[in-house]
Amino acid sequence: QQQVKQSPQSLIVQKGGISIINCAYENTAFDYFPWYQQFPGKGPALLIAIRPDVSEKKEGRFTISFNKSAKQFSLHIMDSQPGDSATYFCAARGPFRGGADGLTFGKGTHLIIQP
Amino acid sequence: DADVTQTPRNRITKTGKRIMLECSQTKGHDRMYWYRQDPGLGLRLIYYSFDVKDINKGEISDGYSVSRQAQAKFSLSLESAIPNQTALYFCATSDPRTGKRTQYFGPGTRLLVL
Repeated sequence: QQQVKQSPQSLIVQKGGISIINCAYENTAFDYFPWYQQFPGKGPALLIAIRPDVSEKKEGRFTISFNKSAKQFSLHIMDSQPGDSATYFCAARGPFRGGADGLTFGKGTHLIIQP
Repeated sequence: DADVTQTPRNRITKTGKRIMLECSQTKGHDRMYWYRQDPGLGLRLIYYSFDVKDINKGEISDGYSVSRQAQAKFSLSLESAIPNQTALYFCATSDPRTGKRTQYFGPGTRLLVL
């Protein structure tokens, strides 16, 4: 019930291409879906987030598409750049046992943008 | 994020030793979290605290304990370290009063248990 499944595990995209990372969740109580970006040696940082009452959110080159009925959401990076090379985590916020407020993370996608 | 600091940044210890990882924040946030990151497993919640008097277990709390010494400080202890606790540990903070649900992560502590 707490799981968030993320794919692919790794992804190589040519510069200028579109990077797509997918996530699926099971717990319909999740109410907030962020994506975090992590560079080597750094902590994760919020990239973009969406609530389940919205089907799409765009910020610059980054777009989240959300399909509530399928319980899936995805990150699209348009015009991918070498500086986008990082590990990306999807996450979902919802009730843990005991009423926690933490995030359930996917396992991460290692994205490499080739020049 | 410089507003959330973790010490030490790297630590090597031996099996059976007790160690403490420390987290400090200058964001003024009430909520603090400890996560563990393992390759291929993502980040998993160990403990979280909504304020100084409220501490709760997360998904994987066995073998760990925490202390919230002040609003700005949240420490994670490994009572008797074992090799499978080798991982990257992150502290995070959040403040629901802002209306945002963003968690701000520290730079991490890389722990190796021999």
